[in-house]
Amino acid sequence: DFVMTQSPDSLAVSLGERATINCKSSQSVLYDSNNKNYLAWYQQKPGQPPKLLIYWASTRESGVPDRFSGSGSETDFTLTISSLQAEDVAVYYCQQYYHIPLTFGGGTKVEIK
Amino acid sequence: EVQLVESGGGLVQPGGSLRLSCATSGFTFSSYWMNWVRQAPGKGLEWVANIKEDGSEKKYVDSVKGRFTISRDNARNSLYLQMNSLRAEDTAIYYCARGGRGESTPYTWFDPWGQGTLVSVSS
Repeated sequence: DFVMTQSPDSLAVSLGERATINCKSSQSVLYDSNNKNYLAWYQQKPGQPPKLLIYWASTRESGVPDRFSGSGSETDFTLTISSLQAEDVAVYYCQQYYHIPLTFGGGTKVEIK
Repeated sequence: EVQLVESGGGLVQPGGSLRLSCATSGFTFSSYWMNWVRQAPGKGLEWVANIKEDGSEKKYVDSVKGRFTISRDNARNSLYLQMNSLRAEDTAIYYCARGGRGESTPYTWFDPWGQGTLVSVSS
């Protein structure tokens, strides 16, 4: 199975500052035939289901603020919140869809410092 | 508006059975792979199973193979998860989620998600 490892487990960032979350896959999720990375990011607020933020590692879902961005390739990926807002307090998950079983990272909790 | 509404959760004894349902609306249900994803209390996310548009292909995580069965009724725009031989470690919120890619593939992200239904396995 593809093991997804996120770091850090949690981070506290001041309002307006940058938050960076890392996701590492145990195997490459880059599909050579289309040169796409099979990786998505989700945001989950307390008591709510996850919400899709980014797919193909860097494509922002419609309606997602542009302060959220995804980058990386093959095994190493990053979700960046460029200027943290109060409503961004949540747990963030990465997910690979290159291989069955589809798997998630363990989550990163983002709080306000 | 796309909606997914799960039901059928509850408290069940170890070894028991439960059938979850997911009623959908606002999109052409028969055109999408559909998924079940679960989340144990206070824990992360685990994909459980998915099913092709016409029900002809089904995939499962190893931990539920032989115990859980995913199915769908396209006439009713509904997804199901039959859970047998339940164990304490199956305790979780079970989410129904649509496959996000606009093509027929099980290799997909999830969008959107329902609100979930809680399954508790305990004696």
